[in-house]
Amino acid sequence: QQPVQSPQAVILREGEDAVINCSSSKALYSVHWYRQKHGEAPIFLMILLKGGEQKGHDKISASFNEKKQQSSLYLTASQLSYSGTYFCGTSSSGYSTLTFGKGTMLLVSP
Amino acid sequence: ETGVTQTPRHLVMGMTNKKSLKCEQHLGHNAMYWYKQSAKKPLELMFVYNFKEQTENNSVPSRFSPECPNSSHLFLHLHTLQPEDSALYLCASSQVGFSYNEQFFGPGTRLTVL
Repeated sequence: QQPVQSPQAVILREGEDAVINCSSSKALYSVHWYRQKHGEAPIFLMILLKGGEQKGHDKISASFNEKKQQSSLYLTASQLSYSGTYFCGTSSSGYSTLTFGKGTMLLVSP
Repeated sequence: ETGVTQTPRHLVMGMTNKKSLKCEQHLGHNAMYWYKQSAKKPLELMFVYNFKEQTENNSVPSRFSPECPNSSHLFLHLHTLQPEDSALYLCASSQVGFSYNEQFFGPGTRLTVL
C-alpha cells in the first residue's frame, strides 16, 4: 500500500521554510526521500531507518516517527534550487522494494 | 559514462510497433528496476531483477517484456502497446543486501504511443 504524502503542493518564497509529510498504514523499516525536477531523474536525498532517526543535509533534514509510521522532510530557508517534486518511498524491510507516494510539488519563487 | 543511463530518451511508436528500451548501470549494483511514471500518479514499480533473476512482476501486462542479460543491463521490450501506456519509463539500480536499499535512477525514456 502506497504511503500518503501531504501537502500535494507548496508554493514558497525564497528563504521560507516548508514541511512535507509521508504517512504509511504499514510498519516501516525505512523511508527514502527523493527530489525530481521536471524532465530529470529522481535524485536521492536521504534514507531514514526505523528507530526515530533524524538526518540532515545542509538545510534539508528529515525525521522518522516509528510509532506513527510517519516521516517528515524539513526544508529550511528554501532556495530556488529546491523547486521540484518530492517523493517518499517506504519499505518494510532492508530487502523489500520501495513503494512511492504520489509526490509533493514544491515551487520556490524569488 | 557514470550512474544509470537510458536510451532512447524519447520514443514515439504506433500501437503495432515493436521497440525496446535499454538501461545500463555503471555502479556495480546487483539489482535493477523498471518504473512507470504517469502524470498525477506515483512511481509504479513494474519489474525487479536481483542478480539477473526476476523477483517481482507487479501485474504488468504481457505487452511489456523485460530482459536482464547481466547485472549491468536491463531491457524493456514493447509490443502492441496502448495509448494509455504513454508515460515516462524510469530505470533504477541498487545494491541489495545492505541494511538499506538506496536506488539510483536513470533519466528516463519518454514514451508516446499513438
